[in-house]
Amino acid sequence: DTAVSQTPKYLVTQMGNDKSIKCEQNLGHDTMYWYKQDSKKFLKIMFSYNNKELIINETVPNRFSPKSPDKAHLNLHINSLELGDSAVYFCASTQQAGDRGRESGYTFGSGTRLTVV
Amino acid sequence: EDQVTQSPEALRLQEGESSSLNCSYTVSGLRGLFWYRQDPGKGPEFLFTLYSAGEEKEKERLKATLTKKESFLHITAPKPEDSATYLCAVGEPGGGNKLTFGTGTQLKVEL
Repeated sequence: DTAVSQTPKYLVTQMGNDKSIKCEQNLGHDTMYWYKQDSKKFLKIMFSYNNKELIINETVPNRFSPKSPDKAHLNLHINSLELGDSAVYFCASTQQAGDRGRESGYTFGSGTRLTVV
Repeated sequence: EDQVTQSPEALRLQEGESSSLNCSYTVSGLRGLFWYRQDPGKGPEFLFTLYSAGEEKEKERLKATLTKKESFLHITAPKPEDSATYLCAVGEPGGGNKLTFGTGTQLKVEL
C-alpha cells in the first residue's frame, strides 16, 4: 500500500553514465515533485509538475530532465552523471497547487540514494 | 530569497527530559510553516502545518507553535522512539506549493 514509491532505492554508477529514477504515487494527488537531499541533510526542490505540466523548474543543470507521462508518475532522467550529483533524491506529492492542498503537506517517497563513482 | 535556520543542529536528551527545537525564518510572504520528521533511510514524514502567528498544534508528545519570525517544536517527556531528524520548511507565495527547508535538528533520546 505504498503511497509514493521510488525505484531504485540505491543506484551506484560511473561518471558519464545516464540513469533514470522512477516515481509513482497512488494517492490521487495532482502535484508531484523532485527534491535533492545533500550529505548535510539539506532538501532542495528541483522540479514540480501539476497534472503533467511543469510548474517549478529551479536552477538545475540541463543534464536533469523530468518527465511526467501522467499525473501519477514523475520520472527523473540524468545525463552525463558527475560526482557532485551524488545525493539522495526524493519524490513527493500533494493534492493540488492551491492553498487547500497544503494542509496535509507533502507525502514523500523513501528516496533513491545515488552514488557516482 | 527565503531562508530557514534550525537550531540546534543536534540535541541529545535523556528519556523524559523535555526540550524545544527552534526554526527561524525569513520570507517575503508565509504560506504555511511545516514540520517534518525524518528517520534514517526514509523520506520526511509530515507532522504539522501552521499558518498564522499564535497558532499551535499538538500530536502526542509534540507541540508546534508559531510567531512572526520563528516556530518552536516542543517535545514533552520524550521517548527513544522520538529520535529522528526534525525538519522545518516554509511555503512560499505563488503556485507550485514550493517548500524551502532548513537543515534540520538531529534529536537523540537516550534511556
